[in-house]
Amino acid sequence: DIQMTQSPFTLSASVGDRVTLTCRASQSISSLLAWYQQKPGKAPKFLIYKASSLEGGVPSRFSGSGSGTEFSLTINSLQPDDFATYYCQQYNSYPLTFGGGTRVEIK
Amino acid sequence: QVQLVQSGAEVKKPGASVRLSCKASGYTFSSYSIQWVRQAPGQGVEWMGWINAGNGNTKYSQKFQGRVTITRDTSANTAYMELSSLRSEDTAVYYCARGIWVATTAGYYFDYWGQGTLVTVSS
Repeated sequence: DIQMTQSPFTLSASVGDRVTLTCRASQSISSLLAWYQQKPGKAPKFLIYKASSLEGGVPSRFSGSGSGTEFSLTINSLQPDDFATYYCQQYNSYPLTFGGGTRVEIK
Repeated sequence: QVQLVQSGAEVKKPGASVRLSCKASGYTFSSYSIQWVRQAPGQGVEWMGWINAGNGNTKYSQKFQGRVTITRDTSANTAYMELSSLRSEDTAVYYCARGIWVATTAGYYFDYWGQGTLVTVSS
């Protein structure tokens, strides 16, 4: 199975900050990575596919990059609505696997 | 608009089975897969399996093979997930999601999610 490791576990930031979240795969997954945002008590919301392609309707302050085993999600100018937990997911091979999540909290 | 509406919370005893439903609307049901994932309290997300809503083909995570069955009723635009031999570790929120197929790897990512169904397994 491909293990997905996210860091940091928790990130404290302020409104307006630029933050970068990291996701590492235990083996190469090319660019077959998606990112999701989850708020407490809610289902995950789809943000990005193919490592860097933004889903329609997702604010442009979100961006993704990376390939192979190293990926990142950057949020430019953090907004109050962005405080949430973010998960990466690989779809290169089965079983489909998710990272453990990074919680972005208010500093 | 695309919506996936899941059935309500369940409380089950160890050893029992649970069957959850996921009703789709706002798109052509048979053109996509329905994926099932779960999230234990305070934990990450775990993929369980999918069904091709068009032809009924399924694929399951090896972890759940033999315990999980995913079916669909195209006339009702609804997918079902049954998990048997429940144990306390199966206590989780179960989500269905619409899967977007990636031809190069036959993998999926998930663009729309249901609201989740809490399954509690307790004696």
